[in-house]
Amino acid sequence: KQEVTQIPAALSVPEGENLVLNCSFTDSAIYNLQWFRQDPGKGLTSLLLIQSSQREQTSGRLNASLDKSSGRSTLYIAASQPGDSATYLCALTSGTYKYIFGTGTRLKVLA
Amino acid sequence: DGGITQSPKYLFRKEGQNVTLSCEQNLNHDAMYWYRQDPGQGLRLIYYSQIVNDFQKGDIAEGYSVSREKKESFPLTVTSAQKNPTAFYLCASRPGTGRVGETQYFGPGTRLLVL
Repeated sequence: KQEVTQIPAALSVPEGENLVLNCSFTDSAIYNLQWFRQDPGKGLTSLLLIQSSQREQTSGRLNASLDKSSGRSTLYIAASQPGDSATYLCALTSGTYKYIFGTGTRLKVLA
Repeated sequence: DGGITQSPKYLFRKEGQNVTLSCEQNLNHDAMYWYRQDPGQGLRLIYYSQIVNDFQKGDIAEGYSVSREKKESFPLTVTSAQKNPTAFYLCASRPGTGRVGETQYFGPGTRLLVL
């Protein structure tokens, strides 16, 4: 059974710092891996989607990488800002369009 | 203005009561999903529907029921059999084109509390 783990569960950094969020999975047979942002009490907003044939995707200050052989994805946030404070969730699909979500990393960027 | 709407934003349930959460989308998406989110946990799939008049159980369907009579609507009923319903409920939809890389789009959520 596929399991998705995100470490750390919470992270607090000063403004301007570059940071990396981690997502690990146990079964490398995946279709897509997606990173979402969730603000408190809100729905999810898609940040980046990496297809299984891809190694990374970039959008602005965000870069997501995927290494299926090691069962890992990372989300890199450059020059963090207080507005980046949110919970970040990774989710993967393995052929049925059903997402399997990680538990999330709660990020706080201090001004 | 296209999107997914969920109502109400907050819902209170009394013991033994059934309550229904609304999810409507005007994106012309074929597939719709219901997730439950508990504090400090990821989302868990309750039910999903890939086409009108058809739906499948997810990982935690016990105590819940759904219907899909219209393409744009996928209401979720939390029955009295669900003993721990307090959670944040999220609805999502997906176009259903079958293209690789197709994402789900999420609504704003409904928070259910037990009185």
